[in-house]
Amino acid sequence: QVQLVESGGGVVQPGGSLRLSCAASGFTFSSYGMHWVRQAPGKGLEWVAFIRYDGSNKYYADSVKGRFTISRDNSKNTLYLQMNSLRAEDTAVYYCAKPWSSSLRYWGQGTLVTVSS
Amino acid sequence: DIQMTQSPSSLSASVGDRVTITCRASQGISNYLAWYQQKPGKVPKLLIYAASTLQSGVPSRFSGSGSGTDFTLTISSLQPEDVATYYCQKYNSAPFTFGPGTKVDIK
Repeated sequence: QVQLVESGGGVVQPGGSLRLSCAASGFTFSSYGMHWVRQAPGKGLEWVAFIRYDGSNKYYADSVKGRFTISRDNSKNTLYLQMNSLRAEDTAVYYCAKPWSSSLRYWGQGTLVTVSS
Repeated sequence: DIQMTQSPSSLSASVGDRVTITCRASQGISNYLAWYQQKPGKVPKLLIYAASTLQSGVPSRFSGSGSGTDFTLTISSLQPEDVATYYCQKYNSAPFTFGPGTKVDIK
């Protein structure tokens, strides 16, 4: 069965960096594009980034463009989100998600990122 | 970029009531729309994709309709376990924007 396990969250100071990972199993990772979605405490869902199955194209929300980088290592079945120049408003639970017919069918349990001094 | 809106932002209804949530896109997105349910403290769950296709395992009281810019999610007979926030999402092209959500609870 599809499993997505995020890691790498934690507390970081404003302006700092963090790299999130999402370990995928139960499907052919290299055949699917993957998403990052976040949810600030008590707020709605916000799409963050998408990467195509082979890493050839990447797309970002305007709120993170230029600061976050999505990447993947298909040999390790792992998705990444490098987050730089972090701000308080980046505080959220970050989910990785796998599409099904392009919608987000499978979600990880999420990893919490807290940006605070 | 295409903006997604939802109405109402919250609603309270009785068990057995028919509930309708509306999602509107600022430009046409054909049928590239999904609906998600998120219960408190839980991970979002895909309910409907392609505007009207019920995800496997989702109760048949949920249905979706619409195309272009206007979409609806209907719960034909509200159940206590349907208390949740419901989000629409466009996926025709990036950015894959979510609507702001509609919180549903029991009166």
